Parts: sequence; structure tokens; C-alpha cells
Amino acid sequence: GDSVTQTEGPVTVSESESLIINCTYSATSIAYPNLFWYVRYPGEGLQLLLKVITAGQKGSSRGFEATYNKETTSFHLQKASVQESDSAVYYCALGEGNNNNAPRFGAGTKLSVKP
Amino acid sequence: GPKVLQIPSHQIIDMGQMVTLNCDPVSNHLYFYWYKQILGQQMEFLVNFYNGKVMEKSKLFKDQFSVERPDGSYFTLKIQPTALEDSAVYFCASSLIGGANTLYFGAGTRLSVL
Repeated sequence: GDSVTQTEGPVTVSESESLIINCTYSATSIAYPNLFWYVRYPGEGLQLLLKVITAGQKGSSRGFEATYNKETTSFHLQKASVQESDSAVYYCALGEGNNNNAPRFGAGTKLSVKP
Repeated sequence: GPKVLQIPSHQIIDMGQMVTLNCDPVSNHLYFYWYKQILGQQMEFLVNFYNGKVMEKSKLFKDQFSVERPDGSYFTLKIQPTALEDSAVYFCASSLIGGANTLYFGAGTRLSVL
């Protein structure tokens, strides 16, 4: 079945440093799945950070960006300069784009940003 | 933004008993989901539900599990009987359209089976 593997956490960086959280995917029943990053802040549910549905495209939100790379089957999340408020758990996810199948998620990567 | 509420946030139950996890989805959403996450492991898909029916379920959705949304109220996950390996955080989600559309999640219910 479809699966997602992402950087094992926890990850700790200092404020204003750069960040990369790796995500690779395996899609068994569709050549070009839809790819997502969700974020979960303490005490809240997961919320969509960004999504990309076309291979080769880049998505961005709140200073984060991720590029859909079909050659390496990757969708790494990057930010040039993190803030303390970015401390959260980040989940990479894959969807097949049809109504009957739910997205599949990675294990989540816990990010702590030190002031 | 739209909110999904899960009640309670933590539930403790003895092995073999029945438990019902409640989810109040976004009011106009049509698709509903349950995911399960054991600490440090994948957030695993359990089931999705639409128009009163299970659309897709994973191997983790054992015979002891059932879902329903009677009369458009709470979307529930019932486990009967519970087992020790059911201890996990259960996340409910809903979406307006299925598949790759944006999911809205609750904060999760931590289930501890003793």
C-alpha cells in the first residue's frame, strides 16, 4: 500500500536557523499522488500547511515550502529562518485524489525551536 | 477555521470493556475518518465513512471496531471488546469532499486500556 517516511524526530533548531524535514513516499496504485504537509500545534488537531498536486510544482505557506519531486519521490519541507512559534509536529501525507481513499500519513516530526 | 471536536481528550478503560470515542465533525462535511497513532509510530489510517457507509478500511480496523453517525450527530468509533494493543491516540477528521481534499482534524482522544 501507499506509505510515507519522514525525518525521525525530535528535531531541535535555534531561532532564525534554517530547517529541512525530509519526506519520501511510495505510491503503489497511482503514478502521481497528491502530497501534503500538515502541522499540529500543542493541544490542537492537525491542520493543512501546504499541498501540491502536480509533480514538479512547489507549494508554500507561512514561510515553509516543499517541492514535489517525482524522480526522487520526495517532498521535503524547508524553511529558511524558523521562529519559536514554528514549534509543532509536522506530518507528511499522500493522497490518491479519489473520493474513496483517505490520505496516508507519516509518523510526524516533532520540531522544537529554541529562542 | 472550522473545528472538529473530540470528547473526551483522555479515556481510561479496563481491557475487555467497550469504549465509544466521540467526534463532532465540521457541520457541512460529508466524509469522516479515524486514524490511530501509537507514540513514535505512524499515524495509521483506520476507516473512512460517507453517506452512512464505510468506504475504505485498513487491516487495523478489526472486527471489534465499528463506526456510525446516527442522524447526523456525532461520528463515533466503538471498540468492543477492547484489547491492550488498542491503547493509542485516536484522531478524527472530516472533509467536505473525499480523497485529496483538505482534512480537518480533532485534537485526538488518548485511549488507555489497562
